[in-house]
Amino acid sequence: QSALTQPASVSGSPGQSITISCTGTSSDVGGYKYVSWYQQHPGKAPKLMIYDVSDRPSGVSNRFSGSKSGNTASLTISGLQAEDEADYYCSSYTSSNTWVFGGGTKLTVL
Amino acid sequence: EVQLVESGGGLIQPGGSLRLSCAASGFSVSSNYMSWVRQAPGKGLEWVSVIYTGGNTYYADSVKGRFTISRDNSKNTLYLQMDSLRVDDTAVYYCARDVYCGGGTCYSYYWGQGTRVTVSS
Repeated sequence: QSALTQPASVSGSPGQSITISCTGTSSDVGGYKYVSWYQQHPGKAPKLMIYDVSDRPSGVSNRFSGSKSGNTASLTISGLQAEDEADYYCSSYTSSNTWVFGGGTKLTVL
Repeated sequence: EVQLVESGGGLIQPGGSLRLSCAASGFSVSSNYMSWVRQAPGKGLEWVSVIYTGGNTYYADSVKGRFTISRDNSKNTLYLQMDSLRVDDTAVYYCARDVYCGGGTCYSYYWGQGTRVTVSS
């Protein structure tokens, strides 16, 4: 199972919006609504930010939103804040009853 | 309060075996999907394995046939038996409780602090 494709890095200024893409195949992202996004700060465990493509767990800011079109999912963060600076990973369920992560995207808040 | 505490990591030679434990509190491991996810030094997350409430287990291709996920309901503990270890198994291993379920699958939401495994001669 190949890792999903994410940009290595993105950046934005406070208050701006950014979007991180996550490209897979019809056997994972394109085939299921089971796509999630995780935020990870250095030295910390990942935190679930988005599940089922666009749903937010309780307590996650509505500045975080998710979407999907075909084999590509996207995470949008609006109103960027300094604490959003972290690594972000997408993940998708696959046709093999397994999960696959993206390679990760480092978000820098300028 | 939900807590997950991993243990069992350490330095092991290639070809060796190690068993990781994940002691859970605040919920029952038998009533939840439970997963293992690893992260090699300076690298991204890699899904390793999941055990469903019914006992079905699934593995990443990279560990299939070498790793075994299991649980002890009486000890409320999740395990990962790792055999035939390779240098590229070096990583921090996280256990997770999967919640937000739908359509037969769930998402890793509660995570432990991780345990480090180093495979080196």
